[in-house]
Amino acid sequence: GENVEQHPSTLSVQEGDSAVIKCTYSDSASNYFPWYKQELGKRPQLIIDIRSNVGEKKDQRIAVTLNKTAKHFSLHITETQPEDSAVYFCAASRKAAGNKLTFGGGTRVLVKP
Amino acid sequence: GAGVSQTPSNKVTEKGKYVELRCDPISGHTALYWYRQSLGQGPEFLIYFQGTGAADDSGLPNDRFFAVRPEGSVSTLKIQRTERGDSAVYLCASSSTSGKNTGELFFGEGSRLTVL
Repeated sequence: GENVEQHPSTLSVQEGDSAVIKCTYSDSASNYFPWYKQELGKRPQLIIDIRSNVGEKKDQRIAVTLNKTAKHFSLHITETQPEDSAVYFCAASRKAAGNKLTFGGGTRVLVKP
Repeated sequence: GAGVSQTPSNKVTEKGKYVELRCDPISGHTALYWYRQSLGQGPEFLIYFQGTGAADDSGLPNDRFFAVRPEGSVSTLKIQRTERGDSAVYLCASSSTSGKNTGELFFGEGSRLTVL
């Protein structure tokens, strides 16, 4: 089955700096890679996703890149703000709909004001 | 309803007891997922329903765990002979399999299970 590794497990950045989280996956048939944000005590929520037919996707201050050959993908947050402090999870599945998502272990991001 | 609803939000039980956790998905979502999240870890897949049938139950850890979705809407996760290792937050999610938001999982707030 799919295995998703996520690094780092914790990340502390100064407000305004960038944060980068990296994930690798094992199943070469995976084609859908979402990122979820989970604030303390809250439910995970989708922040961005990418499908294997593109290499990069951007939405305001967040961007995701995908390297299918190397089987890794990354989340980039620019101009970090205190409200970006949360746990971020990457995930992978073979298709967007109707297929289980395998999650990484999470990255706890702390943005220091 | 407006979002995924899970009950109870908290459940404390004794080792060996039987537990039921309920999930009410977003109206119209045909796909429903159960995940388990232990402290400091990512959600771990348990089972996925498409309509009334379990399309993938490969994540259920053993035969003490069972889930149903008899009418294709509300789902119940059932845990028999609970063990201390079952303590976790059990997350339910639903998704649409068509349209603009295809694939996005909408999670409930979770049911925190504590087995003493």
